[in-house]
Amino acid sequence: NAGVTQTPKFQVLKTGQSMTLQCAQDMNHEYMSWYRQDPGMGLRLIHYSVGAGITDQGEVPNGYNVSRSTTEDFPLRLLSAAPSQTSVYFCASRGGWGEGNEQFFGPGTRLTVL
Amino acid sequence: EDQVTQSPEALRLQEGESSSLNCSYTVSGLRGLFWYRQDPGKGPEFLFTLYSAGEEKEKERLKATLTKKESFLHITAPKPEDSATYLCAVQAAASYGKLTFGQGTILTVHP
Repeated sequence: NAGVTQTPKFQVLKTGQSMTLQCAQDMNHEYMSWYRQDPGMGLRLIHYSVGAGITDQGEVPNGYNVSRSTTEDFPLRLLSAAPSQTSVYFCASRGGWGEGNEQFFGPGTRLTVL
Repeated sequence: EDQVTQSPEALRLQEGESSSLNCSYTVSGLRGLFWYRQDPGKGPEFLFTLYSAGEEKEKERLKATLTKKESFLHITAPKPEDSATYLCAVQAAASYGKLTFGQGTILTVHP
């Protein structure tokens, strides 16, 4: 199993550009989520999904969009990038409660918005 | 609102010098408390899940404990390879999967 994979690893955008961060998992997990990690702020939840076709907002959803058309993939879209979205983005997945309950994290995407 | 506070922010130890990291939390019904290890440039790596006060879990030189208000990560005779950022997170009973994270403790172990 590859676990949770994310692409790209690094990205530089200009203010106003849009892009999609890709996330995929091969563990047949129902639950997937996106976090951003900023110095001194810890990891904060952006959006999450409890299954294909079902998504919901987390703590800091503004400026981001998600969809979940398959169990495996959970892309994160930046609609119009802003310097405040400069951060490291992590995707995570988890099986049903009782299956170890751990969330597996991807390696991250480091995004810089100029 | 769920909150997690970790202390200290940074901890420097000599190899073999045991110590503890603290995670204080407030949550509306605890479903689980999680400890993760994060190395620079990588994603968090799962260490432990604790479910109820009094529970303890061990893995190599690490032992996690839980009370109703806080969790401790005890590191016994640490080695330089234990150097990392240690993250604590809680999941509320009403939450399907949302984790609330603390800011982390940066642990450095000198040889």
